[in-house]
Amino acid sequence: NAGVTQTPKFRILKIGQSMTLQCTQDMNHNYMYWYRQDPGMGLKLIYYSVGAGITDKGEVPNGYNVSRSTTEDFPLRLELAAPSQTSVYFCASSYRARGRVGANVLTFGAGSRLTVL
Amino acid sequence: AQKITQTQPGMFVQEKEAVTLDCTYDTSDQSYGLFWYKQPSSGEMIFLIYQGSYDEQNATEGRYSLNFQKARKSANLVISASQLGDSAMYFCAMSPIKAAGNKLTFGGGTRVLVKP
Repeated sequence: NAGVTQTPKFRILKIGQSMTLQCTQDMNHNYMYWYRQDPGMGLKLIYYSVGAGITDKGEVPNGYNVSRSTTEDFPLRLELAAPSQTSVYFCASSYRARGRVGANVLTFGAGSRLTVL
Repeated sequence: AQKITQTQPGMFVQEKEAVTLDCTYDTSDQSYGLFWYKQPSSGEMIFLIYQGSYDEQNATEGRYSLNFQKARKSANLVISASQLGDSAMYFCAMSPIKAAGNKLTFGGGTRVLVKP
């Protein structure tokens, strides 16, 4: 059981380049999320999805795009990379905790460290 | 809008002692969930404990307990009998309880260093 898998783990981009961070989960979770974590800070929500074909913006969506064509995959696209997008990116998926109505415990991937120079 | 505040940027704790990590929150939602995550130096996010706003009893999970004071809007994490492996960043987070997924809002974190 792999859980949430993110690729690549590390990437260096030049300003203006584009790339896609891949995320896949094998737990059949409906909900998936992308967060970014800047150095010494907490995580901020970029985009989320409540199911295949449905996505919505989070707190910091500018400069990113997502798609959700399958339950398993939730790629994050960076267009025209900027130094401000240097961060660690976490993909997560969630389920409803046993016996806890309304609790969606997020399972996170290992993170992708992106540097834009 | 929701906001999570963790006022302790860093803490030292002696091995085998207990430590309390502070977390206060602000929300206009009537029903919400509070979470604590651990982030060791390796970087992964590990779920520790959950408390629902409607729960009358404080949540406990092994050595972790959540001191939930709804009127004060606080959800402090207590780690008992600290171990060297507890050295990590700890994040408090919350989300409204809704049917279509929960979007976590995180605090800035508290770094804990356990001394032998």
